[in-house]
Amino acid sequence: DIQMTQSPSSLSASVGDRVTITCRASQSISGYLNWYQQKPGKAPKLLIHAASALQSGVPSRFSGGGSGTDFTLTISSLQPEDFATYYCQQSYNVPRTFGQGTKVEIK
Amino acid sequence: QVQLVQSGAEVKKPGASVKVSCKASGYTFTDYYVHWVRQAPGQGLEWMGWINPNSGGTNCAQNFKGRVTMTRDTSITTASMELSWLGSDDTAVYYCATEGLAFDYWGQGTLVTVSS
Repeated sequence: DIQMTQSPSSLSASVGDRVTITCRASQSISGYLNWYQQKPGKAPKLLIHAASALQSGVPSRFSGGGSGTDFTLTISSLQPEDFATYYCQQSYNVPRTFGQGTKVEIK
Repeated sequence: QVQLVQSGAEVKKPGASVKVSCKASGYTFTDYYVHWVRQAPGQGLEWMGWINPNSGGTNCAQNFKGRVTMTRDTSITTASMELSWLGSDDTAVYYCATEGLAFDYWGQGTLVTVSS
């Protein structure tokens, strides 16, 4: 199975900050990497697919990058509604696997 | 618009089985695989398996082999997941999701509580 490791596990940031979350795969997954946002009590929401493609309706302050084993999710200017937990997920093969999550909290 | 509506919360005793359904609408049901993902309280997301609504073929994570059954009924555009031999560590919210570009659309989640 492909292991997905996110860092950091949590972070505190202020509105307006630039935030970057990293996701590392245990083997190359080419560009088959997706990012989700989850708020308490809600289902995850797709933000970015194929490493860098912004899902329709997602604000442009979200961006993704990387390929192979190392990927990033960047929020260019953190907004109040962005405080949530973020997960990466590989769709290179089965079993589909997720990172452990990164909780973005208010500083 | 695409919607996945799941069945309601369940409370089960250890050793019992639970069946969660996922009613799809707003798209051609047989065009996209339906995946099942669960989330234990305060924990991350765990992929359980998928069903191909067209063929009925399935694939599941090793952790669940022999314990999970995924089915679909194309006449009512519904996918279902049955988990047997429940233990307390199966207490979780269970989600269905369609996979197009990624897990594009999700159900609202079904809380399954396993308690004696």
